Amino acid sequence: AQTVTQSQPEMSVQEAETVTLSCTYDTSESDYYLFWYKQPPSRQMILVIRQEAYKQQNATENRFSVNFQKAAKSFSLKISDSQLGDAAMYFCAYFPGAGSYQLTFGKGTKLSVIP
Amino acid sequence: SQTIHQWPATLVQPVGSPLSLECTVEGTSNPNLYWYRQAAGRGLQLLFYSVGIGQISSEVPQNLSASRPQDRQFILSSKKLLLSDSGFYLCAWSWTGELFFGEGSRLTVL
Repeated sequence: AQTVTQSQPEMSVQEAETVTLSCTYDTSESDYYLFWYKQPPSRQMILVIRQEAYKQQNATENRFSVNFQKAAKSFSLKISDSQLGDAAMYFCAYFPGAGSYQLTFGKGTKLSVIP
Repeated sequence: SQTIHQWPATLVQPVGSPLSLECTVEGTSNPNLYWYRQAAGRGLQLLFYSVGIGQISSEVPQNLSASRPQDRQFILSSKKLLLSDSGFYLCAWSWTGELFFGEGSRLTVL
């Protein structure tokens, strides 16, 4: 069974600084998808970024980028120029792809942004 | 564009009372639908998912049930709530793996 591990339960970052959230996963598949979700205090889960395993290029979305290391099964999220609105829980998630219906989520990392 | 809504947003219920949470999706057809629960300070627990009308897969045995009476409607129910049913319930839909979540429903069982 696939597992997703987020080893940092909590992190903090100064406003305008850069922070990296870690995620590792375990799978025997070669093609799959990885996601980062953000859950602000409002509690609605929001998709931040998506990475297809067959793509070597790291995905980026504005200030959010990932460092995808397929061989190491690592998928970290980098937030640049951190803003107060980035304070949230961040969940890493794994999806096996076609034929599957379930995502596997990590336990989350709570990010605090210090003004 | 696709939208997903769930209600009610907040619910306070006594132990032993019934529950009905509803979720609807607009702007797409035949989506996969999901119910997740999130206890305070905890991660996401998949409760049910559905890949079509009338089809429900249960991930966790419990006193909750789900139904999909229409293509874009997903309902979470209980006949008798337990204290342990308190939490934040999230409905979601997907087509290609990535999930799109509703606003969530906070249930407090007293």
